[in-house]
Amino acid sequence: DVVLTQTPPTSSATIGQSVSISCRSSQSLLDSDGNTYLYWYLQRPSQSPQLLIYLVSKLGSGVPNRFSGSGSGTDFTLKISGVEAEDLGVYYCVQGTHDPWTFGGGTKLELK
Amino acid sequence: QVKLLQSGAELVKPGASVKLSCKTSGFTFSTSYMSWLKQVPGPSIEWIGWIYAGDGGTNYNQKFKGKATLTVDKSSSTAYMDLSSLTSEDAAVYFCATGVPPHYWGQGVMVTVSS
Repeated sequence: DVVLTQTPPTSSATIGQSVSISCRSSQSLLDSDGNTYLYWYLQRPSQSPQLLIYLVSKLGSGVPNRFSGSGSGTDFTLKISGVEAEDLGVYYCVQGTHDPWTFGGGTKLELK
Repeated sequence: QVKLLQSGAELVKPGASVKLSCKTSGFTFSTSYMSWLKQVPGPSIEWIGWIYAGDGGTNYNQKFKGKATLTVDKSSSTAYMDLSSLTSEDAAVYFCATGVPPHYWGQGVMVTVSS
């Protein structure tokens, strides 16, 4: 199975600060159809995960544009430009290029 | 709007089976994919599989073959997951979600395995 390694495991930020989360894959996520099936989710405390980013860099429905995704191949980044209180929780990268779909171990974003 | 309402928490004995339900509304269930996922404290999330409501076609994570069985009832727009021969390793929160990738998620249901 593809292993997704997220760093850092925990990130402390102040409101308004920009943060980046890295996701490294054990295999290239570029599919033979030309797409890269890499997604980002946020799970707020006591809530279900919410889709933020799909296909590396496309913003999910209703997701604020302070979130952005980038990367290719095996290295991907989620950036939050100006953290807000509602952004706190655990972020997961997810790949769907290779069966089975796999999740990263999560990055917990907390207030400094 | 899209809603997914999962059944309540389950306490089951080792070796028993349990059937979890996920009642949906707000979208066209009959032409949708439904995903199921498992979350254990850590936190860690695993994809169990998905089912296409249109024809009942499924795709399972090899790890969950023989453990989970996904079905749907189009007449009630409900997705189901049977978990069999439960052990302590199956204790977790289970989520249903629309689509592949999972888009809208249910609230999750906690399954506890204990005698």
